[in-house]
Amino acid sequence: GENVEQHPSTLSVQEGDSAVIKCTYSDSASNYFPWYKQELGKRPQLIIDIRSNVGEKKDQRIAVTLNKTAKHFSLHITETQPEDSAVYFCAASVTGTASKLTFGTGTRLQVTL
Amino acid sequence: GAGVSQSPSNKVTEKGKDVELRCDPISGHTALYWYRQSLGQGLEFLIYFQGNSAPDKSGLPSDRFSAERTGGSVSTLTIQRTQQEDSAVYLCASSYELAGFWKTQYFGPGTRLLVL
Repeated sequence: GENVEQHPSTLSVQEGDSAVIKCTYSDSASNYFPWYKQELGKRPQLIIDIRSNVGEKKDQRIAVTLNKTAKHFSLHITETQPEDSAVYFCAASVTGTASKLTFGTGTRLQVTL
Repeated sequence: GAGVSQSPSNKVTEKGKDVELRCDPISGHTALYWYRQSLGQGLEFLIYFQGNSAPDKSGLPSDRFSAERTGGSVSTLTIQRTQQEDSAVYLCASSYELAGFWKTQYFGPGTRLLVL
């Protein structure tokens, strides 16, 4: 089955700096890659996703890149703000009759003032 | 509109007791998923429903775990003879299934289960 690895497990950046989180996946059939943000005690919230037919997607300060050949994808957050502090999860899925998400182990991002 | 809801929000039980966790998906969402999140860990897939049937139960940890969905809506996850290692947050997600399209999963707030 699919296996998703995520790095780093913790990341501390100063406000205004950029943050990058990287994930690799094992199943070459995976074609959907969402990123979820989970604040302490809250539910995971989708922040951005990318399909395998594109290499990059951007939404304001957040961008995701996908390298299908290398089977890795990354989340980029620019101009970080304290409210960006949370745990971020990457996931991979093969669309079809069973679209379960396989999640990475999460990255705890701390944005310091 | 209303999001995914789950009940109870917290459940404390004694080892060996049975528990039932409920999930109300977003209205009209045909697919429903159960995940488990242990403290400080990622989300672990348990089971997936399309309508009332479960084509993928591969994540259920043991035969003590079962789930059902009725009327294509509400789902119940049952854990029999609970063990301390069952302590975790159980998250439910739903999505609108449309063949050939990617489907965003929306999560509920979770049920925090503590087995003493």
